[in-house]
Amino acid sequence: EAEVAQSPRYKITEKSQAVAFWCDPISGHATLYWYRQILGQGPELLVQFQDESVVDDSQLPKDRFSAERLKGVDSTLKIQPAELGDSAMYLCASSLGTGQETQYFGPGTRLLVL
Amino acid sequence: GENVEQHPSTLSVQEGDSAVIKCTYSDSASNYFPWYKQELGKRPQLIIDIRSNVGEKKDQRIAVTLNKTAKHFSLHITETQPEDSAVYFCAQQGVGNYQLIWGAGTKLIIKP
Repeated sequence: EAEVAQSPRYKITEKSQAVAFWCDPISGHATLYWYRQILGQGPELLVQFQDESVVDDSQLPKDRFSAERLKGVDSTLKIQPAELGDSAMYLCASSLGTGQETQYFGPGTRLLVL
Repeated sequence: GENVEQHPSTLSVQEGDSAVIKCTYSDSASNYFPWYKQELGKRPQLIIDIRSNVGEKKDQRIAVTLNKTAKHFSLHITETQPEDSAVYFCAQQGVGNYQLIWGAGTKLIIKP
């Protein structure tokens, strides 16, 4: 069964450093989402892509976060500089994007900022 | 704005008993309602979903009911087992952008 891939699974960094997360959606899925999840809370949408275009990045802290999906397949989420409050699980999800609504999640990247 | 309220925040049931989690939503145009299960440190996994053209859907021990008039939907788990312990999230899909509006989650504890 196809799954969403993410790497790395864990990342420890010091504040003010740069970090990057990678996501490879299920093959053929046009829509890709990046979420941030703080322990004990639900996922919070950061950015939504349809193919290579950003559909919604209204919740993305653009002073330090950036996201791209240049060829409309895999995607990278970057934080620079990282802050203590960025410690969280970063989840990537994908869906077909043709009105098929189910979102499938990757295993996530757990980030710890020291 | 659109929101989903989920209750209870924590639910503790005896193994073998049933568990019910309820969600209410505000966007009456929404027509897709998934439920996700998230074990500690793992990804959210879709366990069941329902579309607005049906009132109930079952999959073995799990069922979801939808009342569009009252704008609420519920997850029912029967004959609970220890592996059902997790956090459960309800969600509704927004119309147009297909974004999910999430409930706050319910921590389900199955007591042996």
